[in-house]
Amino acid sequence: DAMVIQNPRYQVTQFGKPVTLSCSQTLNHNVMYWYQQKSSQAPKLLFHYYDKDFNNEADTPDNFQSRRPNTSFCFLDIRSPGLGDAAMYLCATSRDYTGGRADTQYFGPGTRLTVL
Amino acid sequence: QKEVEQNSGPLSVPEGAIASLNCTYSDRGSQSFFWYRQYSGKSPELIMSIYSNGDKEDGRFTAQLNKASQYVSLLIRDSQPSDSATYLCAVNPGGSYIPTFGRGTSLIVHP
Repeated sequence: DAMVIQNPRYQVTQFGKPVTLSCSQTLNHNVMYWYQQKSSQAPKLLFHYYDKDFNNEADTPDNFQSRRPNTSFCFLDIRSPGLGDAAMYLCATSRDYTGGRADTQYFGPGTRLTVL
Repeated sequence: QKEVEQNSGPLSVPEGAIASLNCTYSDRGSQSFFWYRQYSGKSPELIMSIYSNGDKEDGRFTAQLNKASQYVSLLIRDSQPSDSATYLCAVNPGGSYIPTFGRGTSLIVHP
């Protein structure tokens, strides 16, 4: 089945130790997104790629970086994780904006990040 | 600032009742609307999308959209304990493929 896959599902890191989260998709969607979600809060968009074009949200800390080497894969790098970065990280994909309608986002299962 | 507002709840309903979840949005040009269900510790999953004024039904779920009043609602008929989750409303501003999410409404269906 076509899907969005995230690895690892659970990541434990130490304060300040870089970590990379990965996302892959078999949907061949143009757009890939990274969200951060903390308990009882809405998903917060960090950045997204439209094809190879990178779009950073204005309030995304410099500590967060992303790479999209090809259509299928996208990575989230946290260069120096702090305690406040502990959260669920969600990858999502969508096709495009077609005929006046935005397409549905498809979410991966998420990566739960713990910072010790 | 495009805003999407939801009552955080929890909304508690007995099993078999109708659960009514509401969402209001600020951008009058919004054209695409989505309801997602999110179980605790899991990722959001799409329940329904709606683009036109009126009602859209899918099984026990009905989405209602009123663009003039800038609200979208989700009705869950014959609520089951397995419906207990957080329901996220997402709204796409006109011309954008990027949704704005509400904080979600927590629904508890008790036996």
